[in-house]
Amino acid sequence: DTGVSQDPRHKITKRGQNVTFRCDPISEHNRLYWYRQTLGQGPEFLTYFQNEAQLEKSRLLSDRFSAERPKGSFSTLEIQRTEQGDSAMYLCASSLAALAGPGNEQFFGPGTRLTVL
Amino acid sequence: ILNVEQSPQSLHVQEGDSTNFTCSFPSSNFYALHWYRWETAKSPEALFVMTLNGDEKKKGRISATLNTKEGYSYLYIKGSQPEDSATYLCALNNDMRFGAGTRLTVKP
Repeated sequence: DTGVSQDPRHKITKRGQNVTFRCDPISEHNRLYWYRQTLGQGPEFLTYFQNEAQLEKSRLLSDRFSAERPKGSFSTLEIQRTEQGDSAMYLCASSLAALAGPGNEQFFGPGTRLTVL
Repeated sequence: ILNVEQSPQSLHVQEGDSTNFTCSFPSSNFYALHWYRWETAKSPEALFVMTLNGDEKKKGRISATLNTKEGYSYLYIKGSQPEDSATYLCALNNDMRFGAGTRLTVKP
């Protein structure tokens, strides 16, 4: 296991279609994060999981966005009825969260670039 | 400060110059600050995790300081090299808020 992987790396879709992205974290990491990044901005936090539990989802951009991590390993991010404004880089990161102490560094995947036509 | 703010937005320096940039953040409820380096076409890479007021961290020619009382962190690069060209991001750990980054270009 050499790092966080994401699939696909690029996705072009038509407006109104549903898309799903996959993230495979570093195997021993218990936390998994999803971010969106648009040109000129830093990553924008969307949601995160600790094992299979989704601990924060209030910052998902709309009810068209959903994420799952059913077995506490890989995760999927789905966008339903895509809009042109959803075009962005979607980044996944994972970390090993200790019970106490400062948050550990996140290891990022290469991202999935979504283009909605 | 309500958000994480980074300045300058971009920076061009000559090879060999030393440089620094700033991350400003809300000082209340501080937990930890992360610095990342993001090269074009690669994934963001963690540089430092900073937690205590007065922290100083160093990795090679790159170092960072932290002031949690006034809500800022500085990142310093000594003797910049072209391979230091990247976007440098800071992020608050407690709510995963990132700044927009400082884009550094080092000219040979």
